[in-house]
Amino acid sequence: DGGITQSPKYLFRKEGQNVTLSCEQNLNHDAMYWYRQDPGQGLRLIYYSQIVNDFQKGDIAEGYSVSREKKESFPLTVTSAQKNPTAFYLCASSIGGGSGQETQYFGPGTRLLVL
Amino acid sequence: GESVGLHLPTLSVQEGDNSIINCAYSNSASDYFIWYKQESGKGPQFIIDIRSNMDKRQGQRVTVLLNKTVKHLSLQIAATQPGDSAVYFCAENGGTGFQKLVFGTGTRLLVSP
Repeated sequence: DGGITQSPKYLFRKEGQNVTLSCEQNLNHDAMYWYRQDPGQGLRLIYYSQIVNDFQKGDIAEGYSVSREKKESFPLTVTSAQKNPTAFYLCASSIGGGSGQETQYFGPGTRLLVL
Repeated sequence: GESVGLHLPTLSVQEGDNSIINCAYSNSASDYFIWYKQESGKGPQFIIDIRSNMDKRQGQRVTVLLNKTVKHLSLQIAATQPGDSAVYFCAENGGTGFQKLVFGTGTRLLVSP
């Protein structure tokens, strides 16, 4: 069963704590993305990776970090520097290649809440 | 594709009606567009896409129309069903040569039996 999985579904963060959101895909896609969704707003790009061992900042990267050590995995860490982390986090992937005309497929999301 | 706040525009239809959801995109260089459906608490689901060399594309019960002159995109859903109730939003690629999508804020579709 191919697709994108995200875990956990819900995550609670305490003040000053770093938390890591998992994203795994078995679609053999080169490109992966992290978005943040706030109520009533469009998705905003946090980080993206076009290929293993390479990633770039998106529009709202401050307070977040990522790694891309394996093609299948693109974990996102929400650091204590992110002052407003409560949001719905979405991971996506696309086939890659740089054509600019690729469908992005999304995972089920992780909802992060601050205690 | 800019944020417009907490309240999404809502389209309410009866089951069996045809629905039309509109989207104004911002970048005249965009050459690829996608429509997504998002149910509450779930990730967006791909519905249909269209490239700028086309002005119409049809799928199963859905049609996307592209008007590049006025930078307007629409999604038509035929014979709308209660299961179609969700937030629908469009995305454009900005013509950057890399798949960096810009997303609209969405329209909530409510289908009553």
